[in-house]
Amino acid sequence: EAGVAQSPRYKIIEKRQSVAFWCNPISGHATLYWYQQILGQGPKLLIQFQNNGVVDDSQLPKDRFSAERLKGVDSTLKIQPAKLEDSAVYLCASSPIAGGGGEQYFGPGTRLTVT
Amino acid sequence: SQKIEQNSEALNIQEGKTATLTCNYTNYSPAYLQWYRQDPGRGPVFLLLIRENEKEKRKERLKVTFDTTLKQSLFHITASQPADSATYLCALAAYGGATNKLIFGTGTLLAVQP
Repeated sequence: EAGVAQSPRYKIIEKRQSVAFWCNPISGHATLYWYQQILGQGPKLLIQFQNNGVVDDSQLPKDRFSAERLKGVDSTLKIQPAKLEDSAVYLCASSPIAGGGGEQYFGPGTRLTVT
Repeated sequence: SQKIEQNSEALNIQEGKTATLTCNYTNYSPAYLQWYRQDPGRGPVFLLLIRENEKEKRKERLKVTFDTTLKQSLFHITASQPADSATYLCALAAYGGATNKLIFGTGTLLAVQP
């Protein structure tokens, strides 16, 4: 079974620029998550989708971050404009269980550096 | 305020010994707790899940305990090997509106010396 795919793996941008990350979850997984992991910290949930609907985006900085899940499969996370404090690894995860319960399967992440 | 605490300092042990990692939490009433392993440059990998009504869970060399009175989970690796060296994350399932969401601790770095 193929795992969660993410691209790009690395991205370097200047502050105030925009950036987009892509995620392809495991086939058939209803729930998709985006996390932000700052160096030395655990992952922090940004947004959770069930199929193509948003279930939880309470910690998403909506003035600059946006996310969508097209047709309940792939997802993109966008930052516009980026700030220095957005430098982090952005992890996508998926789960076969609706409602967010159970184990999550993570992709390799995208390491974003904002200069 | 709500808090999840894991040992911030690295845990160094000798090969063959049992590694014990601690996860303490305050102001949560989690329905379940999970442990993940994370290697450098990779996403976390699920290891074990334990529910609030379970005291202990085992999987091969891994054992997790969950004490809701002490608000603590212990994660044990028996007969540790250098390949077990990684960061271990605990995560609580907290009810967040419509669904459960995972709240992660900061992780503990385990280094197993040969």
